[in-house]
Amino acid sequence: KQEVTQIPAALSVPEGENLVLNCSFTDSAIYNLQWFRQDPGKGLTSLLLIQSSQREQTSGRLNASLDKSSGRSTLYIAASQPGDSATYLCAVRPADSSYKLIFGSGTRLLVRP
Amino acid sequence: GAGVSQSPSNKVTEKGKDVELRCDPISGHTALYWYRQSLGQGLEFLIYFQGNSAPDKSGLPSDRFSAERTGGSVSTLTIQRTQQEDSAVYLCASSLTSGAYNEQFFGPGTRLTVL
Repeated sequence: KQEVTQIPAALSVPEGENLVLNCSFTDSAIYNLQWFRQDPGKGLTSLLLIQSSQREQTSGRLNASLDKSSGRSTLYIAASQPGDSATYLCAVRPADSSYKLIFGSGTRLLVRP
Repeated sequence: GAGVSQSPSNKVTEKGKDVELRCDPISGHTALYWYRQSLGQGLEFLIYFQGNSAPDKSGLPSDRFSAERTGGSVSTLTIQRTQQEDSAVYLCASSLTSGAYNEQFFGPGTRLTVL
């Protein structure tokens, strides 16, 4: 059974720092991996989608990498800002049930001014 | 509309009552998904539709939960005889098709509180 783990569960950094969020999954048979952002009381906003054949994706200050064989992904946030404060979720699309997303429990990020 | 919409945004109900949650997918999206986000369980898959049919209902927690989709568009998730453990945020998503490479777009969710 596919399991997704995110470390750390919470992170507090001063504004301007570069930071890395980690996501690991137990079964490397995936179609893709997606990073989401969730603000308190809100839905999910997709940040980056990495297909299984890709190694990384970039959008602005965000860079996500994928190492499928080792079951790991990282989300790198450059020059963090208070507006980046949110919960970040990663989710995988498993090969054996490709219609669903399996989510990690998230990393709650606070960027202090 | 431009995105997935859900209604109501908040629902407070008494234990034992039935509730209906509604999801309007992005126009033209044939696949629709329901997920539940609760404190103890995180975000978990409930059911998905391709068109009006639901090939996988295995994520529904009990037979008190049901869902339907009509006209290949709007979907309703119904919870009968609600229990306190049903309290959660129910999220809906849609995608162009249910194919693995299609991105899922999420709505804002319905927060359900069962007293």
